[in-house]
Amino acid sequence: QAGLTQPPSVSKGLRQTATLTCTGNINNVGDQGAAWLQQHQGHPPKLLSYRNNNRPSGISERLSASRSGNTASLTITGLQPEDEADYYCSAWDSSLSAWVFGGGTKLTVL
Amino acid sequence: EVQLLASGGGLLQPGGSLRLSCAASGFTFSSRSMSWVRQAPGKGLEWVSSVSHNSGDILYADSVKGRFTISRDNSKNTVYLQMNGLRAEDTAVYYCADPADYWGQGTLVTVSS
Repeated sequence: QAGLTQPPSVSKGLRQTATLTCTGNINNVGDQGAAWLQQHQGHPPKLLSYRNNNRPSGISERLSASRSGNTASLTITGLQPEDEADYYCSAWDSSLSAWVFGGGTKLTVL
Repeated sequence: EVQLLASGGGLLQPGGSLRLSCAASGFTFSSRSMSWVRQAPGKGLEWVSSVSHNSGDILYADSVKGRFTISRDNSKNTVYLQMNGLRAEDTAVYYCADPADYWGQGTLVTVSS
């Protein structure tokens, strides 16, 4: 099954802003949007944003998600050391009848 | 608080079988589709299988079709993954999840001779 496209790595400085992208097609991201997940080494993924771009309870307001066409974005402002992690997007693909994931972006906070 | 507790992982030889379980709590399990997602060591997330809330719709990734079987028991708030004909490439942490919402802690399956 084809996946979503994410840049393998992004590096930004402390307190800067990082924008992560996730590109799919009209059958997945362009249809129902993408959820965003954060994963620290050795831990399970944690939901940061629902497919409708809303944040779950307890997720920092420094994070915001959006979508333009077939590309979803996650913006993190005021980067902190704890933001250093792997970030994945996930979407339901109505053509494949399957969940698809991005390959993940490793965010480094310098 | 939502909890998804996966269990049943282990070390086994190629060709072996294993059944994973995932006990759910903290939400209305019987109204949710549930999935298994795996992550090979050092790799990204890969969807494995999904079952609809009433088991009416069941889907599999091509990589496991014909070898894995997903099922659920809404009376026990539990979803299962029966894995047969295991291969080295099935080695991964297996997560029980709603891929756009809840995630469990995962259970490690290692297939090696």
